[in-house]
Amino acid sequence: GQQVMQIPQYQHVQEGEDFTTYCNSSTTLSNIQWYKQRPGGHPVFLIQLVKSGEVKKQKRLTFQFGEAKKNSSLHITATQTTDVGTYFCAGNSGGGADGLTFGKGTHLIIQP
Amino acid sequence: KAGVTQTPRYLIKTRGQQVTLSCSPISGHRSVSWYQQTPGQGLQFLFEYFSETQRNKGNFPGRFSGRQFSNSRSEMNVSTLELGDSALYLCASSLEGLAGADTQYFGPGTRLTVL
Repeated sequence: GQQVMQIPQYQHVQEGEDFTTYCNSSTTLSNIQWYKQRPGGHPVFLIQLVKSGEVKKQKRLTFQFGEAKKNSSLHITATQTTDVGTYFCAGNSGGGADGLTFGKGTHLIIQP
Repeated sequence: KAGVTQTPRYLIKTRGQQVTLSCSPISGHRSVSWYQQTPGQGLQFLFEYFSETQRNKGNFPGRFSGRQFSNSRSEMNVSTLELGDSALYLCASSLEGLAGADTQYFGPGTRLTVL
C-alpha cells in the first residue's frame, strides 16, 4: 500500500530560526494535505496542494509540491512559540484503500 | 457552523469488551472518515463513509466496523477489544470526501483506554 515518509521526526529550533519538514510518498499522489496538531489537540487543516510543482504561502509558511507529485515540504520562516506542535503531511491517492495516508509527523519544539 | 463533534471524549474498557464511538459531522458534509492515532503508528486510516455507504477501508481487522446514518452521523464499533486498541480515535468530515480531494475537518477525538 501507499506509504508516506516524513522527516525529521523531531526538530528543535531557537525562536526566530527557520524550520523545514519533508514528505516523500511511495506512489504518485492526487494531492497532498498538511495539518498541524497542537499538544493535546486534534489535526487542523493547513493547506492542500494539487498541481505538480505547486507552491503556496501562508504568511511565514511556504508549502511545495514536487514535480512528480511524490514529495512535498513545509518551510516556516522565523519560528515563533505559537508554531509549536506536530506537522503532518497526508497523501491522497484520490480514494481507495489507502484513504488519506499520513506521515508520522514532525514534532517542532521551540526554545525561547 | 458547529464543528465536528465526537462522543464520548474519554472511554475506559477492558479486554474482550466492545465499544461504539459516535461522530457528528459538520452540517452539510456527507463524508465521514475515521482514523486511529497512536504514538507508535501515528495516524492510520480506518474507513470512510459517504451517503451511508462505506467507500474506502484501511488495513484494519474485521473487529473494526462502522456505519453512517441518513443524517450523516457515523458510528464506529470495535469488538473484542485488545490492549493494542488503546488510542485516540478521530473522525473527520468533508463535503465530498477523499475522492473529491476535500479539506478534512477533524473532531476532538475519543480517547479509548483498554485495560
